[in-house]
Amino acid sequence: DAKTTQPNSMESNEEEPVHLPCNHSTISGTDYIHWYRQLPSQGPEYVIHGLTSNVNNRMASLAIAEDRKSSTLILHRATLRDAAVYYCILWGGTNFGNEKLTFGTGTRLTIIP
Amino acid sequence: DGGITQSPKYLFRKEGQNVTLSCEQNLNHDAMYWYRQDPGQGLRLIYYSQIVNDFQKGDIAEGYSVSREKKESFPLTVTSAQKNPTAFYLCASSSPGLSKSLQYFGAGTRLSVL
Repeated sequence: DAKTTQPNSMESNEEEPVHLPCNHSTISGTDYIHWYRQLPSQGPEYVIHGLTSNVNNRMASLAIAEDRKSSTLILHRATLRDAAVYYCILWGGTNFGNEKLTFGTGTRLTIIP
Repeated sequence: DGGITQSPKYLFRKEGQNVTLSCEQNLNHDAMYWYRQDPGQGLRLIYYSQIVNDFQKGDIAEGYSVSREKKESFPLTVTSAQKNPTAFYLCASSSPGLSKSLQYFGAGTRLSVL
């Protein structure tokens, strides 16, 4: 399985943008890049995903490097509710038996009021 | 509201006892999953089911069992063979095809050993 590397922790001030990096140098051409986040004592929730192009949704933006070996999750204006562990995950598509999402230890984001 | 319901929220197990964690979904999803999370760690897949009456072992299936008799339900039994069951257990579901990667999670069950 292709692996991802994320910083263990990051801090950001409230109401400022946050850029969460993820390295995935062994990504294959069919791997989708997913981001989930997990608030304290809750299950993870889907944030965003992409394949090659940058993606935007109501929660965040995903910037994917041209060579796809890294990506950045962008929270445009962090709030205290964004404090969570953020997971960057590669998913290889719908090949038989390849339904797993492999969660690493993620990046713990702390928002400073 | 559609979603995943896990119960109980907290569960205590005695030595040698089997316990069953409940997971129900009303999202009409075909696929369901069970994960285990230890403190400060990511999630590890225990079992998953792509369709009713079918399930596959994940990465850490030993000491656990599941059933999938109904589309809506995917209970997990932690057997006495699981020697270190204390963890946070999460259930998830997803739609078929490319949406398989968009998993919806329940709020979790925290299991402790007495």
